[in-house]
Amino acid sequence: QVQLQESGPGLVNPWETLSLTCTVSGGSMNSYYWGWIRQPPGRGLEWIAYIYYRGSTDYNPSLKTRVTISVDTSKNQFSLKLRSVTAADTAVYYCARLPPTVTMGSAFDIWGQGTMVTVSS
Amino acid sequence: QSALTQPPSVSGSPGQSVTISCTGTSSDVGSYNRVSWYQQPPGTAPKLMIYEVSNRPSGVPDRFSGSKSGNTASLTISGLQAEDEADYYCSSYTSSGTYVVFGGGTKLTVL
Repeated sequence: QVQLQESGPGLVNPWETLSLTCTVSGGSMNSYYWGWIRQPPGRGLEWIAYIYYRGSTDYNPSLKTRVTISVDTSKNQFSLKLRSVTAADTAVYYCARLPPTVTMGSAFDIWGQGTMVTVSS
Repeated sequence: QSALTQPPSVSGSPGQSVTISCTGTSSDVGSYNRVSWYQQPPGTAPKLMIYEVSNRPSGVPDRFSGSKSGNTASLTISGLQAEDEADYYCSSYTSSGTYVVFGGGTKLTVL
């Protein structure tokens, strides 16, 4: 019964940094990848980044220059920082678990409930 | 514009079957069996329904099935129920730079 919960500010000023944390409960972070996906209002899903529990990362090239993902397994948490945000970054941000490829391909099998982040002054 | 192409909407009556298509390219759907499908009822988070083209996670009804032919993957829902009304998204691993790409989503209406 692994559960994920996003936390962070719901409102961010333009050109500042969006910071979100995902807390994993009910299980270990070991052996899994952990990712962030976002969904602008009324639109589709966009993969942002993922991190392995040991720290290796991969980023969406369209966001790579502005994004940092990190993990703290001692706290069962991983985090997202998105710099220099604009209104185009307004979205629901989801954290999700990504099992190893040999287990489930490239599927995100457990998702958090999502957190709405609005970029506005 | 999304990397994978889905129809904006489909509909069906209870008990009927519907199929949602997801068209990609040889860089994603056509070359890898790493296609997933997600169900997203309004106001909720996506839920994994199908992985690796045709595998169902534990707890997903066998009314949901997936397949692939060439660059197009498909999700079929048989014995349609009112609770199936939701948005459905496909995704695929891609070799074109980003790890996964998603479709634009398809709204399923149960008449």
